[in-house]
Amino acid sequence: SQKIEQNSEALNIQEGKTATLTCNYTNYSPAYLQWYRQDPGRGPVFLLLIRENEKEKRKERLKVTFDTTLKQSLFHITASQPADSATYLCALDEGSNYQLIWGAGTKLIIKP
Amino acid sequence: GAVVSQHPSRVICKSGTSVKIECRSLDFQATTMFWYRQFPKKSLMLMATSNEGSKATYEQGVEKDKFLINHASLTLSTLTVTSAHPEDSSFYICSARGQVPTNEKLFFGSGTQLSVL
Repeated sequence: SQKIEQNSEALNIQEGKTATLTCNYTNYSPAYLQWYRQDPGRGPVFLLLIRENEKEKRKERLKVTFDTTLKQSLFHITASQPADSATYLCALDEGSNYQLIWGAGTKLIIKP
Repeated sequence: GAVVSQHPSRVICKSGTSVKIECRSLDFQATTMFWYRQFPKKSLMLMATSNEGSKATYEQGVEKDKFLINHASLTLSTLTVTSAHPEDSSFYICSARGQVPTNEKLFFGSGTQLSVL
């Protein structure tokens, strides 16, 4: 069956360290994968998109990798700050009808 | 950047009443909008795809007579929860795709927390 999985356990990271979140999928062939941030009681906000032919994408303190062999994307936040605390969602698109398939998200807590 | 405005942010209603949620694209035209439902600590569940000028496409298991969607203009889509019951209590979020070249991204409204008593 098709699945997209993110760590359901909250991730606690000390301020200043690098936070790494994982998104694994099975039985999909995504054309691209996206990461979003969601704060409590708010809609998700787009962060980064990485295509199937890209290995890595960066934006300021954020970095995303995409390994289509492992069927995994990693999302890194370097020099983490308490303001980075939120739930991070990954979503993939197989490119057929522009509908995204969503993971349940990982809650990240950055402790001062 | 593309801005999607959603109202109301929170609504409490009595069982049996209908609730309308509005979703507007403020600085771009959205031919397609998506309506999601989200339960605590769960992933976004797509309810329906709203297409301007035509009928919405509902996902399997979503009652179209229960969740009425109207997309009358390129900047406005509405979701009406008819005869709401406590089990309809949830967080509802709309989104729209950006225009080229950002059309692969989704821009979300701030969500509506519906509580049915």
